Amino acid sequence: EVQLVESGGGLVQPGGSLRLSCAASGFTFSSYEMNWVRQAPGLGLEWISYIGSTGATTFYAESVKGRFTISRDNAKNSLLLQMNSLRAEDTAVYYCTRDRGERFDGDAFDIWGQGTRVAVSS
Amino acid sequence: EIVMTQSPATLSVSPGERATLSCRASQTISSNLAWYQQRPGQAPRLLIYGASTRATGIPARFSGSGSGTEFTLTISSLQSEDFAVYYCQQYNHWPRTFGQGTKVEIK
Repeated sequence: EVQLVESGGGLVQPGGSLRLSCAASGFTFSSYEMNWVRQAPGLGLEWISYIGSTGATTFYAESVKGRFTISRDNAKNSLLLQMNSLRAEDTAVYYCTRDRGERFDGDAFDIWGQGTRVAVSS
Repeated sequence: EIVMTQSPATLSVSPGERATLSCRASQTISSNLAWYQQRPGQAPRLLIYGASTRATGIPARFSGSGSGTEFTLTISSLQSEDFAVYYCQQYNHWPRTFGQGTKVEIK
């Protein structure tokens, strides 16, 4: 079964750091581009970061640029998101998503994890 | 940044009726448009990609159309499990952007 499972969420104080992980299974992880998407409580979806299949290419939303770092370990079938200098507005459910991989320069997100909750509060 | 605007914000429909959701892009995005369904408490699920192609396992009552800047998702005969929030998303430009969502509720 194709699956993405996020972990690492929790409560953190403003200015703190957190590292999210996403474990992939059921497909050849190293062949797919990946993304992180978040959803603040009661609100819509916000794309925040992309990484190419080798990890050489990354993109970020302006809202997280310079604070968040996306990376991957293809040997461990794992996607990571290092979040630093966290703010209250980063409070959200964070989803790991897979690009369909059929289009050059990115595609729709065909597989989603169940999400991990991050709360930034003092 | 491309702004995706969905309408209406809420759509009240009776089971068995047809629902039509709209999505407009602030710039042309060709056919690089996806639709997602999100049921309460669940992760989003891909319904449509390439503006009109159903994803694997998606029932035929879901159809998408449009290109350029104007797109439509149609649910031909609403089932109980279709009452949810629907998001459009463009993947033609960076950053990827989503619409604000349309909630389809039971009338």
